[in-house]
Amino acid sequence: EDKVVQSPLSLVVHEGDTVTLNCSYEVTNFRSLLWYKQEKKAPTFLFMLTSSGIEKKSGRLSSILDKKELFSILNITATQTGDSAVYLCAVEGPGSGGSYIPTFGRGTSLIVHP
Amino acid sequence: SAVISQKPSRDICQRGTSLTIQCQVDSQVTMMFWYRQQPGQSLTLIATANQGSEATYESGFVIDKFPISRPNLTFSTLTVSNMSPEDSSIYLCSVAGGAQYEQYFGPGTRLTVT
Repeated sequence: EDKVVQSPLSLVVHEGDTVTLNCSYEVTNFRSLLWYKQEKKAPTFLFMLTSSGIEKKSGRLSSILDKKELFSILNITATQTGDSAVYLCAVEGPGSGGSYIPTFGRGTSLIVHP
Repeated sequence: SAVISQKPSRDICQRGTSLTIQCQVDSQVTMMFWYRQQPGQSLTLIATANQGSEATYESGFVIDKFPISRPNLTFSTLTVSNMSPEDSSIYLCSVAGGAQYEQYFGPGTRLTVT
């Protein structure tokens, strides 16, 4: 059974701090790893990673994948209160219908205090 | 990215009744997905809805409990049948799109069963 484990489960920091969120996985026939930000109900897409060692960057957020050690990290530098959210990691593998579907971790709840 | 709407945004229902959730996308998509997110838990895929064929259900979910319709390429419904308090959850639909075929989520339906 595919498994995605995120750590820490929750994190409280102050504005300006840098945080690193972790995601480890076990999946057969890995296709990609995805990061999402969930503020209220709908997760919003951040990154898709398919190759080891290639950093994806968007503003203060960056992410990298290690396919040998089966993990990914999401870094947020100079955090702001607007970064407060649950960050979800998902790994795509083959589903029961033959298409690739994501298996989600439980998420890391990040709270940024002013 | 696709724009996805869901109706209703929230509902409170009595046990034993059924609720149908609608999902509308602003562009034609081949596959639509239905997820459940129980309180404090991760997103769990219920089924994949393909236009013109039966939905494909993931382990632990059955058609009698969660019938799905997919009448065209922009619309789908999920019915939660014979509800119990354990069905209280956020239900999200999503579609795959974008440059990397990543998943985009609707705003979700928050269901409370009393």
